[in-house]
Amino acid sequence: DTAVSQTPKYLVTQMGNDKSIKCEQNLGHDTMYWYKQDSKKFLKIMFSYNNKELIINETVPNRFSPKSPDKAHLNLHINSLELGDSAVYFCASSQSTAPWEKLFFGSGTQLSVL
Amino acid sequence: EDQVTQSPEALRLQEGESSSLNCSYTVSGLRGLFWYRQDPGKGPEFLFTLYSAGEEKEKERLKATLTKKESFLHITAPKPEDSATYLCAAGLRGSQGNLIFGKGTKLSVKP
Repeated sequence: DTAVSQTPKYLVTQMGNDKSIKCEQNLGHDTMYWYKQDSKKFLKIMFSYNNKELIINETVPNRFSPKSPDKAHLNLHINSLELGDSAVYFCASSQSTAPWEKLFFGSGTQLSVL
Repeated sequence: EDQVTQSPEALRLQEGESSSLNCSYTVSGLRGLFWYRQDPGKGPEFLFTLYSAGEEKEKERLKATLTKKESFLHITAPKPEDSATYLCAAGLRGSQGNLIFGKGTKLSVKP
């Protein structure tokens, strides 16, 4: 069983569309994240949730809205997609928010906005 | 500003040719220095966490070390299957789980 799974793997869409990426973890972790990896391969935090509560919201356009229906799921909805949103989006989880906890990553969703 | 810098950006080695990857950090309140391996089309995979200067950890051909300003990932007698991008990340005091990542070193090992 995959520990952190996200779908879809690839997402190709037109500018202006709305899309969602889903993430699920079966590790029993309390904390989940969305990271963005840009074309230069730089990984940056977007959001994190702890026990369904939003705890980190970096400088991300409000077109991006995360939702955590329960501890095991964290979805990302993006409205009015723009060309600059093209990137690879990674979901991750950790046991807690402690800064020494290792993160477990999903395999990524490559978003291409045309 | 908290920053993690990795060098070199890319490294090509012959099989069996040992080398080191560097991760220098300028952060306030380091609580953990992480190394991850990322294969093409996949998410980062955890390798090591180092907590204090002087600490070392080993796994197969990899050995990670930590000083007060930098960390090294030493690769001894690498094999082609060690080819990947190696990412360094810092976990900071008060960060609530957010890691600051470097841009990575892309390692290619030729047979």
